[in-house]
Amino acid sequence: GAGVSQSPSNKVTEKGKDVELRCDPISGHTALYWYRQRLGQGLEFLIYFQGNSAPDKSGLPSDRFSAERTGESVSTLTIQRTQQEDSAVYLCASTPPGAGISEQFFGPGTRLTVL
Amino acid sequence: AQSVTQLGSHVSVSEGALVLLRCNYSSSVPPYLFWYVQYPNQGLQLLLKYTTGATLVKGINGFEAEFKKSETSFHLTKPSAHMSDAAEYFCAVRVTSGTYKYIFGTGTRLKVLA
Repeated sequence: GAGVSQSPSNKVTEKGKDVELRCDPISGHTALYWYRQRLGQGLEFLIYFQGNSAPDKSGLPSDRFSAERTGESVSTLTIQRTQQEDSAVYLCASTPPGAGISEQFFGPGTRLTVL
Repeated sequence: AQSVTQLGSHVSVSEGALVLLRCNYSSSVPPYLFWYVQYPNQGLQLLLKYTTGATLVKGINGFEAEFKKSETSFHLTKPSAHMSDAAEYFCAVRVTSGTYKYIFGTGTRLKVLA
C-alpha cells in the first residue's frame, strides 16, 4: 500500500517568504508527527496530531511556525517569513491507531532551502 | 523529562567486524525504545523496538539491541558488518506521560570499511 507522502520534495524560497509543506499520512493512521532535521543533526520534534487535534505543539520553534490537520488525513506545516535558519529537511510520520506501541512510518521529507 | 543520548556521531568498522552503536536514555518510567535507520537518500525505517517483555530485541538485517534498565542503555549490535549497513542510525524514546511524542537522539553515522 501507499506510504507517507510529502510535497514538495524540494523547496527553495527567499528569506521572508511564506512556505507550506504538505504531508499525506498512511490511510487510517490517526497520529501524525512533524520533525525538523537540520544538516548533520538529529530529528527535532515539532508537533504531533491525534486526529485533527494537536495535543503537543511544544516543539514549534516560534510563532512563525504553524500546522493544521483536516479530515484526520492531510496535514500542512506553514512557515511564515522564512529565515535562513529554517533551512532543513522537514519530516512527517504517522502511526496507526490502537493501544499498542507502534512504530512511526516516515515520509521522504521536504528539503527546504531559504536563500 | 525523557531524553536520549547517542555516543559517537561517527563510527567506522571493518566489513565483518562487530557493530556497536550506543544509546542511553533518561526516563523515570519504563521507556519505549526504538532504533531507526536512514539509508542515504531514503526515509527513516524501523530497525527494532522495545516495549515490554524480553529485553533482547531482534530486528531486521541481523541487528539486535538489549534493554538494560540498570545501565539505562539500549545499545544496537550486529555481529558482522556488511557494506550495506552504512547508514545513519537513530535511537528514540517515546514519551509516556502527558504526551505521545518521540524524542530522537542526534544520530550515529556508520561507515563500513572494505
